Amino acid sequence: AQSVAQPEDQVNVAEGNPLTVKCTYSVSGNPYLFWYVQYPNRGLQFLLKYITGDNLVKGSYGFEAEFNKSQTSFHLKKPSALVSDSALYFCAVSSLSGGYQKVTFGTGTKLQVIP
Amino acid sequence: DGGITQSPKYLFRKEGQNVTLSCEQNLNHDAMYWYRQDPGQGLRLIYYSQIVNDFQKGDIAEGYSVSREKKESFPLTVTSAQKNPTAFYLCASSPRTGGTYNEQFFGPGTRLTVL
Repeated sequence: AQSVAQPEDQVNVAEGNPLTVKCTYSVSGNPYLFWYVQYPNRGLQFLLKYITGDNLVKGSYGFEAEFNKSQTSFHLKKPSALVSDSALYFCAVSSLSGGYQKVTFGTGTKLQVIP
Repeated sequence: DGGITQSPKYLFRKEGQNVTLSCEQNLNHDAMYWYRQDPGQGLRLIYYSQIVNDFQKGDIAEGYSVSREKKESFPLTVTSAQKNPTAFYLCASSPRTGGTYNEQFFGPGTRLTVL
C-alpha cells in the first residue's frame, strides 16, 4: 500500500522569506510524486511532478520541490513567499494498480503567508 | 479549472433523497475520477473510470454510484445509503497513456450539504 504524510497541518511564513512544505511518502517501486495547490472553494491545480532525473524539480509560480530517495521525502519550496501563495497544498504519490493510475493524496498543509 | 466543469456549485439534500452531481470535461481524457474531500482528511477516491462504459470502485464507494456512457461525462449519484454525505466533491480527469506519471485536472467542485 502506498501512503503520503504531510506532518504539518499549517505553515506560517513571512512574506519574502523562503518557504518549505514537507512531504514524505511510502510506495513500492519507483515513486511518482506530485504537488497540487487548492484555493478556497476551488478544485486542485497541478504545480509540479517528479518522475525521474534531477532531484530538484521546478514547477509553476516559482515553486520547486526536492526529491530525496534516502529520506523518502519530496518537500515543496519557494525562495521568496508571496501573500498570494496562501492556500492549501497537497502532496500525492502515484503508482499503477490493476492497470490504472492510483493516486494517494496527503491530508494537506495550509500555508499562511503573513504580510 | 482546466476544461472540467462541475454542477451545481452548491447542493442541498434532504435525508433520504438521492442526488446527482454532474462532471463534464472537454480535454479528451480517457480517465475520470471522483473524490470526496473532508476537512483534515485530504482527498479520498470514490470511483474511477478508465474508458467509456467501464468504472471501478475506489476506497469509499459505498453509498455512491456512477455511470460513464460518454467519454466527456462522469456523473456521480449520492444515494440515501450514504450515511454522511455532507462534503466537498471533486471530479478529475487525466490522459490514459499507460504510464503512472500523468497529472490530474480538477473541476471546481460541488459542495453537498444534507439538511
